[in-house]
Amino acid sequence: EVQLVESGGGLVQPGSPLKLSCAASGFTFSSNWLNWIRQAPGKGLEWVASINPDGSSTYYPDTVKGRFVVSKDNAKNTGYLQMNNLRSEDTAMYYCARKGVLFDYWGQGVMVTVSS
Amino acid sequence: DIVMTQGALPNPVPSGESVSITCRSSKSLLYSDGKTYLNWYLQRPGQSPQLLIYWMSTRASGVSDRFSGSGSGTDFTLKISGVEAEDVGVYYCQQGLEFPFTFGSGTKLEIK
Repeated sequence: EVQLVESGGGLVQPGSPLKLSCAASGFTFSSNWLNWIRQAPGKGLEWVASINPDGSSTYYPDTVKGRFVVSKDNAKNTGYLQMNNLRSEDTAMYYCARKGVLFDYWGQGVMVTVSS
Repeated sequence: DIVMTQGALPNPVPSGESVSITCRSSKSLLYSDGKTYLNWYLQRPGQSPQLLIYWMSTRASGVSDRFSGSGSGTDFTLKISGVEAEDVGVYYCQQGLEFPFTFGSGTKLEIK
């Protein structure tokens, strides 16, 4: 069974860093893209990062480019989202999801709140 | 960026009725490989989104055949034949043609 489990969320102050993790199981992690999608409270879905199977290429929207870094450790079957210089508008539920161009399995999400 | 625009539903919808959810993209999602890179998701209340349809008309594994996707390069429809209580939630379309991937704003389905 495919499973994705996020962790690392919490309450942080503006300007702080935070690193999210996504533990994968039930499939060949090294052969799959990993994506991060977020959802602000009461709002819609926003794609925030993608990384290709071997980790050599990463992609971001302009809203997070230069502040967020996506990575994956294929030996540990775990993906990461390093978030730097967090802003109040980054407050959201963060989901990791499998595959590229489409997101066929999603984790349960982890909440990140940026507030002073 | 490709803008995805979704239509609304006349909520609440009577149980058993069929509904169509529309989505329009600002650029054709038809790629040279013949696939149209349009996906549909359902987010039930309090849950993570789940993939329903990919490549415009291919049902994801385990998805009921009451769900069907159709469209052209820029105009798309998700049809639910005979809505049931479990279909309640917000439906999102998403383009996978190019980065940045973008979603529609969502279409809420409520059942009477």
